[in-house]
Amino acid sequence: KAGVTQTPRYLIKTRGQQVTLSCSPISGHRSVSWYQQTPGQGLQFLFEYFSETQRNKGNFPGRFSGRQFSNSRSEMNVSTLELGDSALYLCASSKGRDRVSTEAFFGQGTRLTVV
Amino acid sequence: DQQVKQNSPSLSVQEGRISILNCDYTNSMFDYFLWYKKYPAEGPTFLISISSIKDKNEDGRFTVFLNKSAKHLSLHIVPSQPGDSAVYFCAARYGGATNKLIFGTGTLLAVQP
Repeated sequence: KAGVTQTPRYLIKTRGQQVTLSCSPISGHRSVSWYQQTPGQGLQFLFEYFSETQRNKGNFPGRFSGRQFSNSRSEMNVSTLELGDSALYLCASSKGRDRVSTEAFFGQGTRLTVV
Repeated sequence: DQQVKQNSPSLSVQEGRISILNCDYTNSMFDYFLWYKKYPAEGPTFLISISSIKDKNEDGRFTVFLNKSAKHLSLHIVPSQPGDSAVYFCAARYGGATNKLIFGTGTLLAVQP
């Protein structure tokens, strides 16, 4: 069974640009969550999607957005990039169904560097 | 406000001995707790979870204990192996219709051969 796939693995962008990151969850999983990991803030929740709907949102500015497609694949977008957006972005996949799952499986992450 | 805390930034243990990693939380609304192992620049790997209605869950070398009255959980690894060396995160999930996880700051475990 394939795991969670995130693309690209590494990305370098310039301040002011925008970026789109992609996540393919484990087959059959309908819940996708996104997290940001930085040395100073640790792992912070960005948002969660379930059946194409945003189910929960963390405390991040509106420059951070996401969406989920009918095949459960998800994308997150960051507009007007700032240096502080440099981080490891992680996607987590859970079964979800009508009730929440007890396990969340993470992808390898996308390392975003803003210069 | 750090709702999930791992007060030990690092822990060093001899191979074959027990490793005990601790985690404290403040929010009594959490209904599930999870432990993850993480290497630098990689995603966290799920290890074990426990429901708030249980006090112990075991999976091979890993056992998680939950003390609800103290709002404290611990992960025991027995016996510890050099391959266990990594950063360990505990995470808590809110009750209700969400998979949102709140993570602790992590504990770096070093298992010495």
